[in-house]
Amino acid sequence: QVQLVESGGGVVQPGRSLRLSCAASGFTISTYGMHWVRQAPGKGLEWVALTSYDGSNRYSVDSVKGRFTISRDNSKNTLYLQMNSLRDEDTAVYYCAKGLAWGDKNALDIWGQGTMVTVS
Amino acid sequence: EIVLTQSPGTLSLSPGERVTLSCRASQSVGSSYLAWYQQKPGQAPRLLIYGTSGRATGIPDRFSGSGSGTDFTLTISRLEPEDFAMYYCQQYGSSPFVFGPGTKVDIK
Repeated sequence: QVQLVESGGGVVQPGRSLRLSCAASGFTISTYGMHWVRQAPGKGLEWVALTSYDGSNRYSVDSVKGRFTISRDNSKNTLYLQMNSLRDEDTAVYYCAKGLAWGDKNALDIWGQGTMVTVS
Repeated sequence: EIVLTQSPGTLSLSPGERVTLSCRASQSVGSSYLAWYQQKPGQAPRLLIYGTSGRATGIPDRFSGSGSGTDFTLTISRLEPEDFAMYYCQQYGSSPFVFGPGTKVDIK
């Protein structure tokens, strides 16, 4: 069964750090771009970051540049999001998601259940 | 950065009705890199449409997508009870791969 499971969320004080993980099963992430998307309570979806299939390219939204780092360990079939200098406005459910096909420009076809990050 | 606008914000409809949701981009979305997602409360989003008009795996054929350039549409031919949800468009032609603000389809 193709599945993504996020972990690492929790309550953290402003200015502190947190690392999220996303473990994949039922497929190999090494051939897909992988994304993080977040959703603040009661709000819409916000795309956060993408790492290409081999980690050679990384893209992120301006609001997290210099603070968040997306990475991947294909040998562990796992995606990460290192979040530093956290702010109140980073409070959200964080979803990891898989690109539909090979390449960076893809819709997101598999999503995890999300992990909640509360900055307070 | 491309900005996506969705209209209307909310639609109140009855089962069996036809629905047309709009997504407009501030600049052309290259090569139809436009997707639609459905999200229900407490659940992760689900991919419905990719590449403007391609139906994702397992998506019923009552869902269809169309458009080009800056104007895109998601159509649900006949609303089923399980279709009442939030709908988001997303462009993935250039970073940041932004989402629109969403349209809520609720029961009249």
